[in-house]
Amino acid sequence: AQSVTQLGSHVSVSEGALVLLRCNYSSSVPPYLFWYVQYPNQGLQLLLKYTTGATLVKGINGFEAEFKKSETSFHLTKPSAHMSDAAEYFCAVGDYGNNRLAFGKGNQVVVIP
Amino acid sequence: EAQVTQNPRYLITVTGKKLTVTCSQNMNHEYMSWYRQDPGLGLRQIYYSMNVEVTDKGDVPEGYKVSRKEKRNFPLILESPSPNQTSLYFCASSFGVAPSYEQYFGPGTRLTVT
Repeated sequence: AQSVTQLGSHVSVSEGALVLLRCNYSSSVPPYLFWYVQYPNQGLQLLLKYTTGATLVKGINGFEAEFKKSETSFHLTKPSAHMSDAAEYFCAVGDYGNNRLAFGKGNQVVVIP
Repeated sequence: EAQVTQNPRYLITVTGKKLTVTCSQNMNHEYMSWYRQDPGLGLRQIYYSMNVEVTDKGDVPEGYKVSRKEKRNFPLILESPSPNQTSLYFCASSFGVAPSYEQYFGPGTRLTVT
């Protein structure tokens, strides 16, 4: 079955600094990869997704992620953190065998003024 | 507005008292799913449905039931809730089968079982 690993449950970043959230996946087939964001007291919403084609994927709110097959990674970045980026971020991979998305455990991002 | 709705948003109940959490989507999506979210564990799938009358178990189905009698609705039933089912629950839907398609999430239902 496909799976993802997110390290570091809590990530602190200074306002204006680079946001980098790491995601490594395990998949025996070409993966579909997703990043979701969850703001406080809300459901998850899609930030960006990789299906096929261009390996650098741009999403909403200035986020982007790069698919690197050789490293089995799909790290999420944003050049300059805003206070509004404080949220929980989940990486997910399509798990064909189980007809689902397999989610990582999430990264809680805190932005320090 | 395209959306997934869940009711109730908050629920406190006692052990053994049957409850139903409703989920409805207005996007004509075929795939629907229930997740629970617990600190440090991320989202774990409870059940999913690929179409009307087609449901299957996810990672953590014990203690839950679902049904899909209409395309838009996918209720989650706890026949005899227990404290270990205290959690944040999300319903989600997508146009097609989950691995390839974006899932749209409801706002969540926070359940406390005492």
